Parts: sequence; C-alpha cells; structure tokens
Amino acid sequence: DQQVKQNSPSLSVQEGRISILNCDYTNSMFDYFLWYKKYPAEGPTFLISISSIKDKNEDGRFTVFLNKSAKHLSLHIVPSQPGDSAVYFCAASAIEKLTFGTGTRLTIIP
Amino acid sequence: ETGVTQSPTHLIKTRGQQVTLRCSSQSGHNTVSWYQQALGQGPQFIFQYYREEENGRGNFPPRFSGLQFPNYSSELNVNALELDDSALYLCASSLGGSYGGSTDTQYFGPGTRLTVL
Repeated sequence: DQQVKQNSPSLSVQEGRISILNCDYTNSMFDYFLWYKKYPAEGPTFLISISSIKDKNEDGRFTVFLNKSAKHLSLHIVPSQPGDSAVYFCAASAIEKLTFGTGTRLTIIP
Repeated sequence: ETGVTQSPTHLIKTRGQQVTLRCSSQSGHNTVSWYQQALGQGPQFIFQYYREEENGRGNFPPRFSGLQFPNYSSELNVNALELDDSALYLCASSLGGSYGGSTDTQYFGPGTRLTVL
C-alpha cells in the first residue's frame, strides 16, 4: 500500500527553467510534508517542508505547494541549476513517522 | 554544530549473522529514527527512539531491534540476517518525540550500506 506516490521516476529540465516535481498521498492523517534531496552515497538532505495548515511555503529558489483537497503537493525549483541534479523524495509525516515516496531523479541539462 | 553520523559506512555479512549499526544524533536532538532504503525505493520506517524508549515501529520483524543511549546515540541490531536485508540503513535525528503528531524535521546521516551474501 503506497501511501505516498511520486509517479515520475525521472525528469529532465533545461538549466534556468522551472523544475516541477509532484507527489500524491492517500492518508488524510498526514499533517506535515517534506522534500528531501539525495545524492548518491549520501543520506537525504532536508530541503523544505510545509504544514497541513498552509498551502504554500517558499525558501529561496524552492517553493512547495500543498493542495489538501486533491491530496497533492509539488516542489517548484526556479531557476534550475546544474547542482540541483539529484533524486528528490517527497515525505509525509504522521506521529513523527515519515512515509517516503519512491523518488524522482531530476537532471538539469546545461 | 555536529550533524548526524553513522558507522560503519559499509558492511558485508553472510546470511544468518547478526549486525549492529550505530548512529550519533545531531547536537541537541533527543529523537532518533531508523529507515531501510532498498535499491530503487524510498526509505522505509523501521522504528523511532525518544529518550531511550521505542516510540513507534514500522512493519519490520522483531529480529530488527534498537537501543538509544543516555547521550541519545542509537544502535540498530539485526539478527539472523537474510539476503533481503541488503540495503542502505539511514538514521535520522530530530528535536521532538512527543507521540501524537509533530512537525519536527528529521535530519539524516549518510547511511550504512549493508550487503548480505
């Protein structure tokens, strides 16, 4: 039972353009959502989060949008940079247990 | 401020053996969570420790056990290793731990790559 889904295994975006990564969830009990970035041979690095009481959170080039009625969140990166190439995981929290999606590999094309 | 550290980096074991993985939490954090990440998958929650007590467990058998020490560092023990236990084991620390919902962010260590032959 995959409660958090990232339906795009990979995404390629031109440098300077906007990258949009998507995530869907099924469990209404999730109250906190996070995006992590992962390079090979490293642990996930926290990027940005959003509480279920908000619909948008922005931090520099990164913005996370939450649509609770659709059980959907997205991460926008603008402008995209070569260093953004990595695997991005969406995670949802309920009682502090994080449930992760399967990840989207983002490749930024110079 | 020291981040989350894990040891060892890599480990090779054979089926039936036992393994202990270690994690030091980020300074000031009292909660440690362990995750298993199989190839091509997202991390799967194993269990969490808050102030030396287990504070939630995922869908893993009892041969996966843990411990948290007074300094909030933690160990993950796996007995009777199986081939499917081969994975990256991740430790994450956070400030919170109160059972019942939290918006505390979890910060991850680099992981321990376990290979079971």
